[in-house]
Amino acid sequence: DAKTTQPPSMDCAEGRAANLPCNHSTISGNEYVYWYRQIHSQGPQYIIHGLKNNETNEMASLIITEDRKSSTLILPHATLRDTAVYYCIVRVEGNKLSFGAGTTVTVRA
Amino acid sequence: DAGVTQSPTHLIKTRGQHVTLRCSPISGHKSVSWYQQVLGQGPQFIFQYYEKEERGRGNFPDRFSARQFPNYSSELNVNALLLGDSALYLCASSPFLAGGYNEQFFGPGTRLTVL
Repeated sequence: DAKTTQPPSMDCAEGRAANLPCNHSTISGNEYVYWYRQIHSQGPQYIIHGLKNNETNEMASLIITEDRKSSTLILPHATLRDTAVYYCIVRVEGNKLSFGAGTTVTVRA
Repeated sequence: DAGVTQSPTHLIKTRGQHVTLRCSPISGHKSVSWYQQVLGQGPQFIFQYYEKEERGRGNFPDRFSARQFPNYSSELNVNALLLGDSALYLCASSPFLAGGYNEQFFGPGTRLTVL
């Protein structure tokens, strides 16, 4: 599997942008980058995905470097409800998602 | 539309017992996957079913089994429960089986405690 590396934790001030990095240096050309998050005691929630181009939706933006070896998830205006564990995933076999430990993001008032 | 539903929400069993967990996918979704999440870790893939056939299996012992029904709902069965089986069991559904983009929708999970 293409391994991902994420910082174990990070803090963010409410109303500010949160930038979550992910390294995936062994990603292959046809593998997508997915981001999911898991709020405490809930199932993971899909945020965004991308292959080569930067992507934006109502939840977040995904910036993928030109060499595709790393990416950044951006939450433009973090709220307290964005406190969660964020998972960066790059290996998908069929519908199998390989979750790592993720980044625990704490948004502080 | 209803999301993925799982039952029961919580369950307490003792070692050696058997447990059955149930999952109903989003209407129209034909693929169901099961994950185990031990406290403090990310979810680990157990099984994937598509059109009632097993399409993937994670590194779990034969005590774990699953099936998918004609209405695409699914059951996860675990025999001879061990203390280490205590975890949140998550079900995810998606419309199809794909190698590229595929968004999976997760249910709230079943919290299993083995005493």
